[in-house]
Amino acid sequence: NAGVTQTPKFRVLKTGQSMTLLCAQDMNHEYMYWYRQDPGMGLRLIHYSVGEGTTAKGEVPDGYNVSRLKKQNFLLGLESAAPSQTSVYFCASTNGRVGGYTFGSGTRLTVV
Amino acid sequence: QQQVKQSPQSLIVQKGGISIINCAYENTAFDYFPWYQQFPGKGPALLIAIRPDVSEKKEGRFTISFNKSAKQFSLHIMDSQPGDSATYFCAASRLISSGSARQLTFGSGTQLTVLP
Repeated sequence: NAGVTQTPKFRVLKTGQSMTLLCAQDMNHEYMYWYRQDPGMGLRLIHYSVGEGTTAKGEVPDGYNVSRLKKQNFLLGLESAAPSQTSVYFCASTNGRVGGYTFGSGTRLTVV
Repeated sequence: QQQVKQSPQSLIVQKGGISIINCAYENTAFDYFPWYQQFPGKGPALLIAIRPDVSEKKEGRFTISFNKSAKQFSLHIMDSQPGDSATYFCAASRLISSGSARQLTFGSGTQLTVLP
């Protein structure tokens, strides 16, 4: 099935460790987004990309980096994980049409 | 700064009842208002959406009511079913300065439980 695939689904990190979350979409969408979901706060935009080779900061970008080397992939990196980054991370993509967001199933990250 | 405020945080409704979730926004740059439904362990999925030039939109048992002057909108679920039990997010969309990308700003979510 076409869609957005996130890996890994679960991860536990120690404070200070680094990791990369991978998002892959097979819908040829131009725009890709990374959100984090925390209880009582909805989803907040971390970074986004408007096309291959482009990235931009969202609402809560501190502590994260992203790369979009290929159109179908959008990577989210944590260089030095902190407990405040414990969250569920969602990737989404869209072809730019209003409302046409497709979300992945999420990555649950715990930083201890 | 929460640009989209959603209430209630949780809602329990009997089967067959009406579920109502309310949202309010502040930024007049928002020009599209979707609702998302999320089941445990899944990503949000678009349920229904409305533009501000329309006061109401209905799709099956789901209706959005929109009040542009009050900057409020709400989701009504008629004849609520146990299968509707999920978390519902309102959102507001606006163009981001770079290109034609759009930013979705989400409400804090409502956990709906429909009792059988």
